[in-house]
Amino acid sequence: DAGVTQSPTHLIKTRGQQVTLRCSPKSGHDTVSWYQQALGQGPQFIFQYYEEEERQRGNFPDRFSGHQFPNYSSELNVNALLLGDSALYLCASSAGGAMSDEQFFGPGTRLTVL
Amino acid sequence: QKEVEQDPGPLSVPEGAIVSLNCTYSNSAFQYFMWYRQYSRKGPELLMYTYSSGNKEDGRFTAQVDKSSKYISLFIRDSQPSDSATYLCAMSAQELGGGGADGLTFGKGTHLIIQP
Repeated sequence: DAGVTQSPTHLIKTRGQQVTLRCSPKSGHDTVSWYQQALGQGPQFIFQYYEEEERQRGNFPDRFSGHQFPNYSSELNVNALLLGDSALYLCASSAGGAMSDEQFFGPGTRLTVL
Repeated sequence: QKEVEQDPGPLSVPEGAIVSLNCTYSNSAFQYFMWYRQYSRKGPELLMYTYSSGNKEDGRFTAQVDKSSKYISLFIRDSQPSDSATYLCAMSAQELGGGGADGLTFGKGTHLIIQP
């Protein structure tokens, strides 16, 4: 079992650019949640995808968008990058679509915005 | 006041000591409580998952939840240098989408150092 995988591992972008991050959930999981973790902080919930739809969303602007594919993998897109978007972006997968289900995290993508 | 408060530390203890890590929270709707361990520049790893109040034990780890006090704890017995990491508490209310939910709510994490 490969667990949750994310790509790329690291990414460097400049202000104003757009970025796409990718996540493959753990085998048997159908729900993907995305989190942003700034340095020295706990992860903050961005949104959750289940059955290819955004089910829940945290307090993040519309510049953050996502997609889930029929094979349950997911993408996180961030437009018009700001310096403050620099963070570790974590993907978590679970089974069943309920926020109460156990979530397993991937290793993250570290995004640096210059 | 943040929804979840967690002392960032660092907390430094000698090898073999019992470690106590704690979080307090303000949202009485939280029903599910988790502890994650995160090594530097890695993703969080689920350690313990409990529902409502009570204790749960798994090997050297014991999780306690006191909903009346809005206080959760993680105890690590016979601590090892390999336990050195950041420990994050997380919690959620029982909601199934429909908007308004905030996903898992995390504390800032406590940086734990086990001295050999």
